[in-house]
Formats: sequence, structure tokens, C-alpha cells
Amino acid sequence: QSALTQPPSASGSLGQSVTISCTGTTSDIGGYNYVSWYQQHPGKAPQLIIYEVTKRPSGVPARFSGSKSANTASLTVSGLQADDEADYYCSSYAVNNNFVFGTGTKVTVL
Amino acid sequence: QVQLVESGGGLVKPGGSLRLSCEASGFTFKDYYMTWIRQAPGKSLEWLAYISSSGSPIYYRDSVKGRFTISRDNAKNSLFLLMNNLRVEDTAIYYCARESSSSWGRFDPWGQGTLVTVSS
Repeated sequence: QSALTQPPSASGSLGQSVTISCTGTTSDIGGYNYVSWYQQHPGKAPQLIIYEVTKRPSGVPARFSGSKSANTASLTVSGLQADDEADYYCSSYAVNNNFVFGTGTKVTVL
Repeated sequence: QVQLVESGGGLVKPGGSLRLSCEASGFTFKDYYMTWIRQAPGKSLEWLAYISSSGSPIYYRDSVKGRFTISRDNAKNSLFLLMNNLRVEDTAIYYCARESSSSWGRFDPWGQGTLVTVSS
């Protein structure tokens, strides 16, 4: 149950795009299409922004998109806005009915 | 609207116990799986356990098996986490979250969290 690996930080200018990677193994990301992404603003609870690799819950802008290739999932935030500055966490279903989260990425909007 | 409200956190000594509660509203509680997730100060998220809509099956992460017990009362729209033999490293904000019964890892929404501090 090792954490998924994310870069500690990422940044982009207003209006630009940023992509965050999330690397796991064949026991989690590579084995299942149950990757989710969460956004967490300081002092707040996480909020779901992507589930099942590419799906967006209602109310989440299309600027947020997800993808997966082999053992690595990615989240892309396009048209960066000031409010996108937050921590982002990936998660995946894993073998033996477990779930594993990523190490987290702090996104800074320049 | 859909809402989850945790309670029961606080300061406890190592080896002590605590029971967290999560009260749900705004949706048909008995139709959903539920889960507990925690976040140590300044750290990432850690999934702890989930419970099916009926109360079985239940699954735990290895590090809390035998110490933590998840349960639910569908008549009272409530989820619980009983934590025994608490350790300093269990200090964290504990969140409950709704889990879709038709998808894995779709934790939405989350409660505001309740802080558990384990210290002598």
C-alpha cells in the first residue's frame, strides 16, 4: 500500500495549462480504471474533480481533464484561474480491496 | 443538499480509544457505501476503511486492522469509526466520505473533518 508518486509542486500562468502526473504500479493504476483526482484548498476538505480516470462530476468545469497510460495517470488543468491554486491528490483502487492516494501536488498559479 | 458532518474528535492519550461519528443528510444513506479517510498534519491523504451499504463487506487498510472498527446505523443515517489502542501516528484530521456503490474510489462528498490528537 505504498503511496502513488506525484511531483511536489507544479505551476502555470493565468490562462495557461498545467499537467500533474501520478505514478503507481500494475497493482493499482495500471490494473484498474478507477483513478480519481481531488482538489483541496487550505483548511478545507478535498473535493472530487475526476473519477474513473476521465469522468467529471457535475459542476466540475471541463477545464479539468484526466487520462491514464500504463501505470501513470495525469490531471490537466487548462485555462488556469486563481482559484485553481490548491493541493491536488490522485487516488486509485488497488488490489485486495484497498485504495491508495498520491503524495500530493501543490499547484501555484503565477 | 448532500452533507456529511463528523464529530467525536479530540485529545486522547496513547493507548486510548475514541469513537468518531459522521451524520449524513440530503441523500438516501442506506444506498451508499461509506468510507473513512485521514490526513496527518501537512501530509497526504490515507484511506482507512470502507463499509458497504448493508454493513457487509467491510475492508480496512492493513495498518489499522484489529484497532479500528467501521460501522453504520442506516436508521440513523450515521457512520462510525471506533479507534482503539491509539498511537501518536494516528494524529490526523479524519474525514468521512460517501462512496458510490457503482464505482470505486469516487469519494464525494467529504465531511469537514474532525481532528484527532494522540499525545501524552
